[in-house]
Amino acid sequence: EDQVTQSPEALRLQEGESSSLNCSYTVSGLRGLFWYRQDPGKGPEFLFTLYSAGEEKEKERLKATLTKKESFLHITAPKPEDSATYLCAVQDRGFQKLVFGTGTRLLVSP
Amino acid sequence: DVKVTQSSRYLVKRTGEKVFLECVQDMDHENMFWYRQDPGLGLRLIYFSYDVKMKEKGDIPEGYSVSREKKERFSLILESASTNQTSMYLCASSLRAPGNEKLFFGSGTQLSVL
Repeated sequence: EDQVTQSPEALRLQEGESSSLNCSYTVSGLRGLFWYRQDPGKGPEFLFTLYSAGEEKEKERLKATLTKKESFLHITAPKPEDSATYLCAVQDRGFQKLVFGTGTRLLVSP
Repeated sequence: DVKVTQSSRYLVKRTGEKVFLECVQDMDHENMFWYRQDPGLGLRLIYFSYDVKMKEKGDIPEGYSVSREKKERFSLILESASTNQTSMYLCASSLRAPGNEKLFFGSGTQLSVL
């Protein structure tokens, strides 16, 4: 059974204080690993897809990396508007569905 | 931009009522999904559909059914609502083509069953 574990559950940063979020996964054959951002009261919004170990993708202050067992979402010099819940999900080969982790709630204080 | 529209933002129903949650997408996506989201449990897949009139059970289908009569519309039905079905319900859609499986989500329906 596919499993996704995210840590920490919650993270509080000062503006400009860089950090990383972790997503550990167990899957029989990885088709893709997805990162989403979710603001309160809204649906998740797509950020990145990673397909193979060693792959990296960047968007503004966010950088996602992938190994065979985990993915990291690095946040460089965060701003208050980066405050949100960040969700990780995996897709197994042969399936269309995504399995989600429970997310990391990020709060960036000015 | 892809738009996934859920018919209600907030819904309050009574135990035993039949509840319909509607979802419409405007980008001709083959796949559509219904998830529920609960604190500490994350998003859990209820049902999904690869095509019109096709449906597959997800991880927690008990107490739910779905209908997909048209490609753009995917309905979630609670046959007899119970208090443990109080949750945020999220609809999503995606293309079937490899490399394009990212999900596009609606804004969600917060359902309260009293």
